[in-house]
Amino acid sequence: KAGVTQTPRYLIKTRGQQVTLSCSPISGHRSVSWYQQTPGQGLQFLFEYFSETQRNKGNFPGRFSGRQFSNSRSEMNVSTLELGDSALYLCASSFSQGNHNEQFFGPGTRLTVL
Amino acid sequence: AQSVTQPDIHITVSEGASLELRCNYSYGATPYLFWYVQSPGQGLQLLLKYFSGDTLVQGIKGFEAEFKRSQSSFNLRKPSVHWSDAAEYFCAVGLNYGGSQGNLIFGKGTKLSVKP
Repeated sequence: KAGVTQTPRYLIKTRGQQVTLSCSPISGHRSVSWYQQTPGQGLQFLFEYFSETQRNKGNFPGRFSGRQFSNSRSEMNVSTLELGDSALYLCASSFSQGNHNEQFFGPGTRLTVL
Repeated sequence: AQSVTQPDIHITVSEGASLELRCNYSYGATPYLFWYVQSPGQGLQLLLKYFSGDTLVQGIKGFEAEFKRSQSSFNLRKPSVHWSDAAEYFCAVGLNYGGSQGNLIFGKGTKLSVKP
């Protein structure tokens, strides 16, 4: 079974631009979560989507948004980029039925904002 | 508020020596607990997880962890470290929403270096 894939792997943007990152979950997984990883703040939860609905949201400004499609693929968008948005963005998928749902992570998208 | 603390930012051990990485959590309900490993430039790989039952759990690559409710700890151990274990290790709590798992809260990580 293929793992979680994220595209692109690397991105360079300038302040004020917007960016869209994509995540394809493991086949059969219906939940997709997004995390931001920075040296200063560590790993922080952005949001979770399940069956095309945002089920959970972390403490990030409205510039960070996401969506999930009917095939469970997910995108996250960051508008009006700031230097502090430079980070590794990790996507994780899980089956999300029942209690015991481990999350499987993709390799991440490294975003650099200049 | 829920939180995870990994007191050691960086640990260096000799190859073949034993390893223990510490993790303490703060969470009101019964937690779901995880250890992940991250190699440079890579995503996170799950080493092991605790949901319930036996408090000593075995994982991949020879790792094990012990859940101690009285100490709110979930320390990771390995009896003999290999050079390939050099990486960053993250402890995480999975929030329990009425029995369904919510998002993960991560510790800041412990970077492991291995001396030859």
